Amino acid sequence: GNSVTQMEGPVTLSEEAFLTINCTYTATGYPSLFWYVQYPGEGLQLLLKATKADDKGSNKGFEATYRKETTSFHLEKGSVQVSDSAVYFCALSDTGGFKTIFGAGTRLFVKA
Amino acid sequence: GAGVSQSPRYKVAKRGQDVALRCDPISGHVSLFWYQQALGQGPEFLTYFQNEAQLDKSGLPSDRFFAERPEGSVSTLKIQRTQQEDSAVYLCASGRGGDSETQYFGPGTRLLVL
Repeated sequence: GNSVTQMEGPVTLSEEAFLTINCTYTATGYPSLFWYVQYPGEGLQLLLKATKADDKGSNKGFEATYRKETTSFHLEKGSVQVSDSAVYFCALSDTGGFKTIFGAGTRLFVKA
Repeated sequence: GAGVSQSPRYKVAKRGQDVALRCDPISGHVSLFWYQQALGQGPEFLTYFQNEAQLDKSGLPSDRFFAERPEGSVSTLKIQRTQQEDSAVYLCASGRGGDSETQYFGPGTRLLVL
C-alpha cells in the first residue's frame, strides 16, 4: 500500500541555518504530494503542495520538488527563523482518491 | 472567516462508554475528512465524505466506529464501547473538493479512555 517516510526528529538548528527535511514515498500511480505544518498550539495547515512530477511547491521561503525518479519530496528552506519552529508532516493523496497518507512528522526547533 | 471547529476539545471516557465527537466544517466545503492521531504520530485516515455521501470508510478501525454527515455539513464521529486503545486526538478537516485539494484542519478532540 501507499506510505510516506520522513526523517525522524527532532531537528535543532540555529537561526539562519539551511533546513532539509527528507521525505520519501511509496505509491502506485501518480499521487499528489503535500507538506503540512503544525505550529505550537495550532491546527495542521497546508504549507505547500505539488501535483505532478518535477513540480516545485513553494511558500513562506520553503520549497519542495516532486521527484518521481527518487520518489522523494524533500522540504528545504535557505534560512530558518525561530518562528519556523513547528512539526512538519509530509503527505500524499492518490490521484482521484480521497485517502491522504501522512508521515510521522518531524519536529523542528530553531534557536536564536 | 470561521475555520473548522470541533467539540468537545477534550473528552474523558470510561472504558465501555459511547462517545460522540462533532465537527463543524467551513461553510460550503464539500469534502470532510476524519483522522485519528496517536501521540507522536501523523494523522491516520479514518473516513471521507463528499457532501452527505460517505465515499470511503476504509480507515475506520472497527465496527465500533461510525461517522455520519446527514445534511452535508456538520459531521459526527461516534465510538461505541470505547477501549483504551481509542485514546488519541481525532482531527476533522474540510475542503472545497476536487483532486489534490487543500484540507483545512480543526483543532482536534483529545479523547482519553480510562
